[in-house]
Amino acid sequence: AQKITQTQPGMFVQEKEAVTLDCTYDTSDQSYGLFWYKQPSSGEMIFLIYQGSYDEQNATEGRYSLNFQKARKSANLVISASQLGDSAMYFCAMRESPYSGNTPLVFGKGTRLSVIA
Amino acid sequence: EAQVTQNPRYLITVTGKKLTVTCSQNMNHEYMSWYRQDPGLGLRQIYYSMNVEVTDKGDVPEGYKVSRKEKRNFPLILESPSPNQTSLYFCASSSGRGELPSYEQYFGPGTRLTVT
Repeated sequence: AQKITQTQPGMFVQEKEAVTLDCTYDTSDQSYGLFWYKQPSSGEMIFLIYQGSYDEQNATEGRYSLNFQKARKSANLVISASQLGDSAMYFCAMRESPYSGNTPLVFGKGTRLSVIA
Repeated sequence: EAQVTQNPRYLITVTGKKLTVTCSQNMNHEYMSWYRQDPGLGLRQIYYSMNVEVTDKGDVPEGYKVSRKEKRNFPLILESPSPNQTSLYFCASSSGRGELPSYEQYFGPGTRLTVT
């Protein structure tokens, strides 16, 4: 079963508008971390935001915020005031139980965001 | 500056010609990992290393080897590359301790490999 599901292969948003990228996850661990990465056309993976499973408040980093709903196992990324430079592929990822052994990042298949002027 | 470096960034090679992709980090991280990224499949782990001389297979290890002789370096070796190994490869590192900063994995810039 997929551990990270991103149901939106592609999305469009008008410049200066807000956009929500969906992510649901599946884990039986109590301790885990959720991440969002941005991958522009140049290919590098850029870390955007992190949410720990025990964090009570939603994470925010500048224009990025993570809407964390633990009971629903969702970790949606909200980008406010979209800019043309936000056009990229966005990946949701999870890292389980970092205290024990191999803990790879497990990635979703990504959402391609296009910002329109 | 904290960073993970990979070389080469781009490589076109022929089937069967051995190659090595280097990865180096300057953050004294214990944990290092290689991923490959393919369209529609996202990123998948190839190999990982918990510390010097400690390596193990990830989800897609076939056709790859790694070594970890020094803490900072984690090269990926393709002994006999084949066209199905054409992909974008990422090296990543993180602290092996269970503290909060270790949740984040720092990624290298990626290596685009084409095997003809």
